[in-house]
Amino acid sequence: AQSVTQPDIHITVSEGASLELRCNYSYGATPYLFWYVQSPGQGLQLLLKYFSGDTLVQGIKGFEAEFKRSQSSFNLRKPSVHWSDAAEYFCAVGAHQAGTALIFGKGTTLSVSS
Amino acid sequence: GAVVSQHPSRVICKSGTSVKIECRSLDFQATTMFWYRQFPKQSLMLMATSNEGSKATYEQGVEKDKFLINHASLTLSTLTVTSAHPEDSSFYICSARGFRGQNTGELFFGEGSRLTVL
Repeated sequence: AQSVTQPDIHITVSEGASLELRCNYSYGATPYLFWYVQSPGQGLQLLLKYFSGDTLVQGIKGFEAEFKRSQSSFNLRKPSVHWSDAAEYFCAVGAHQAGTALIFGKGTTLSVSS
Repeated sequence: GAVVSQHPSRVICKSGTSVKIECRSLDFQATTMFWYRQFPKQSLMLMATSNEGSKATYEQGVEKDKFLINHASLTLSTLTVTSAHPEDSSFYICSARGFRGQNTGELFFGEGSRLTVL
């Protein structure tokens, strides 16, 4: 079955500290992988995406993620967290075929302490 | 970049009324649009896949007679929540994939519509 697992429901990080949000997926075909961020009451903003090629992808706001096929993982990282990064983060996986939707993980809530 | 616009962003209605939410792709043609539902502090759950010119495909457990989807053109899909009840209160988000050469797999999301049924 196709699924996305975000093992951490809630993470608290000190401002300026590094961050890693975990994402594991189960997918039958070569996946497209995404990270989205959602602030309270808002829609989704795409942070970054992996389609093919370099397995380390850079996104907006200083985020990066690394695709590791052997581990079926696509963890999100940021070297130094800012208070404005506090939000809900969703990992998602999709197929290359047109007409297929993304499957989302349950999300990880990031809190940033001062 | 591609933009998906959703309207209204917030709607409050009385129980028993119907509410229509529009999803428009502003600068690309979307043969397929997707409707998601998000309960507070939960993930996005796919409700249905909307295909232009044909019937929508609903996910298991989603009532097609309650959540009417119409995808009449390549830039517009609508979700109508019929006879809404308080348990239908939720955040509804639409998304769209590009057409032909724009099929990169990425979904472009609308801003979401928060429905509150009193």
